[in-house]
Order: sequence, then structure tokens, then C-alpha cells
Amino acid sequence: DTAVSQTPKYLVTQMGNDKSIKCEQNLGHDTMYWYKQDSKKFLKIMFSYNNKELIINETVPNRFSPKSPDKAHLNLHINSLELGDSAVYFCASSHFAMPGEEAFFGQGTRLTVV
Amino acid sequence: KNEVEQSPQNLTAQEGEFITINCSYSVGISALHWLQQHPGGGIVSLFMLSSGKKKHGRLIATINIQEKHSSLHITASHPRDSAVYICAARVSNNDMRFGAGTRLTVKP
Repeated sequence: DTAVSQTPKYLVTQMGNDKSIKCEQNLGHDTMYWYKQDSKKFLKIMFSYNNKELIINETVPNRFSPKSPDKAHLNLHINSLELGDSAVYFCASSHFAMPGEEAFFGQGTRLTVV
Repeated sequence: KNEVEQSPQNLTAQEGEFITINCSYSVGISALHWLQQHPGGGIVSLFMLSSGKKKHGRLIATINIQEKHSSLHITASHPRDSAVYICAARVSNNDMRFGAGTRLTVKP
């Protein structure tokens, strides 16, 4: 059973489109994250949600809107896609109350904006 | 300057060699993670450390909280160990800061 699953794995789209990436975890974790990995393989946090509430919102354009319908899901919606949005996006989850516990990552979604 | 620094950036080794990857951080942490990212892109958590040392198979991770330094060691390296290894510092319940990664290539 996949612990953290993201869909789609690959996404190619044109500039200006709106797209969503879905993330689901079946670990019972109460905290979920979105990370962006740029072309230099550097990972950077975008958002963090705890019990469906936004905890961290790094300096991310407001074209990016996370949506958490329940604790097991954190979807990432991107409006008006730009070339610079091309990257690999990783979803992860962990227990809020146990900061020393491992975070589990999804397999990543490679977004290519053309 | 990044809050989490890794070295080396790239590392090439011959099969069987002992490998060390270093991570230094400048922020207060509750735990430190070592992650492995394979060429296919998926990320796997190898270790989570808050003190001391952990061992899993040929992998060993150590951390020195006072010196704000952690190392990942691979004994008897194998080509299948080729991957990017990422150090991640958990600075709060919700926030992790990542190193830039070390690209390891193990040649047969």
C-alpha cells in the first residue's frame, strides 16, 4: 500500500492553464506539506497544513492555492501557469505532535509548462 | 548562505569504497533527516536522528548536536547506492529545511 500518493506523476501543460496536483496519505498523519524541487534539485517548502489548517505559507505566488478537504488530502491548485513553475513537486506527511518522527514523501509530480 | 549545508556536492566512488557525506546546519532543530532520491525521482527517508548514531544495513548516520553536524556513511558502497542524498533539518513541527543534496555515483 502506498503511504503518500500523488497524481499525476507527470504533467505537461501550456502557459496560462490552470492545473491541480492531488495528494493523499493513508498513514493517519495530521500534517501534510508541499515542496518544490527546482532544476538544481533544491527542495523548498511551499505550504504546510495541520488538521486542514494552513500553518506555513512560504513566499509562493498566490497563483498557488493548496486545498485540504480532510486530513488525508492536500491538493495543490495552480492558476495561470508560467514557464518558471516547471519543477518537481513533492507532497509529504508527518505527525505534528511528533516532530522527531519521519516524514514520508510522495513520488513527486514532474510539471512541465510549455 | 543556506541554513543547511552539505558536502561534497558531487561524489564519485569505486564499488566497495567507504563513503562519507557531511551536513552542517545553522538553525535549531528537533531532528535531522537523511533522504535518498533515486534517478527516477522518488524520495525515501533513510534516517531520522535527534542524537547519537543509527545504523541500517550498510548505512550509518551520526549527529553531533553541539557541533550542529551530521554525517551519513556508506560502507562497502555498491552501484545501486548511486543517488542524491539530501540532509533535511526539522526546525519546527511543520518546517524542514533542506540541503542542496550530494550526488553520489558509485562505479563498478
